[in-house]
Amino acid sequence: DGGITQSPKYLFRKEGQNVTLSCEQNLNHDAMYWYRQDPGQGLRLIYYSQIVNDFQKGDIAEGYSVSREKKESFPLTVTSAQKNPTAFYLCASAHPNYGYTFGSGTRLTVV
Amino acid sequence: ELKVEQNPLFLSMQEGKNYTIYCNYSTTSDRLYWYRQDPGKSLESLFVLLSNGAVKQEGRLMASLDTKARLSTLHITAAVHDLSATYFCAVEGNTDKLIFGTGTRLQVFP
Repeated sequence: DGGITQSPKYLFRKEGQNVTLSCEQNLNHDAMYWYRQDPGQGLRLIYYSQIVNDFQKGDIAEGYSVSREKKESFPLTVTSAQKNPTAFYLCASAHPNYGYTFGSGTRLTVV
Repeated sequence: ELKVEQNPLFLSMQEGKNYTIYCNYSTTSDRLYWYRQDPGKSLESLFVLLSNGAVKQEGRLMASLDTKARLSTLHITAAVHDLSATYFCAVEGNTDKLIFGTGTRLQVFP
């Protein structure tokens, strides 16, 4: 079955550490997105990519980085520059005719 | 810049009652989406609205779109406890970014 997979489901980060969240899709979608959700809040766009080897900043890109070397993969790195990274992170992919598909999310906690 | 506003933010309603959630957006949009989110879970797609006057219904939920007013509504008919969740609208602007509203947390009680 086609879908979008995020891993890990739970991630713990120490102060000053970089961590990478994985997002893989086998839907053959060109566009991929990363969102952050804080408790009781809506989703805010971090980065998005419309095509391989190209990506753009969203509304809250500071402290994050991404790469898009393969169509199937869009990993998100939370760097030490992100001072408050504890949140729920959702990855999505999209097709112009079929809309958006969301992963199951990664819950990141700073310890 | 596209902005999406939902109201109310919180909604506590009795089983069997009807209510409407409103979603306003600031610029011309191609598509509007409604999602449901249960606590700690990802998003479940409910509706995609593509044109002015579009109306879609699934069970006790009905969504509509007025592109001239830049307004979408999600109407709940005869609420049941299973509908308790957070509901988001999201609007796709001309830059192919999906921008979310703040969400409406719905609680249905007996």
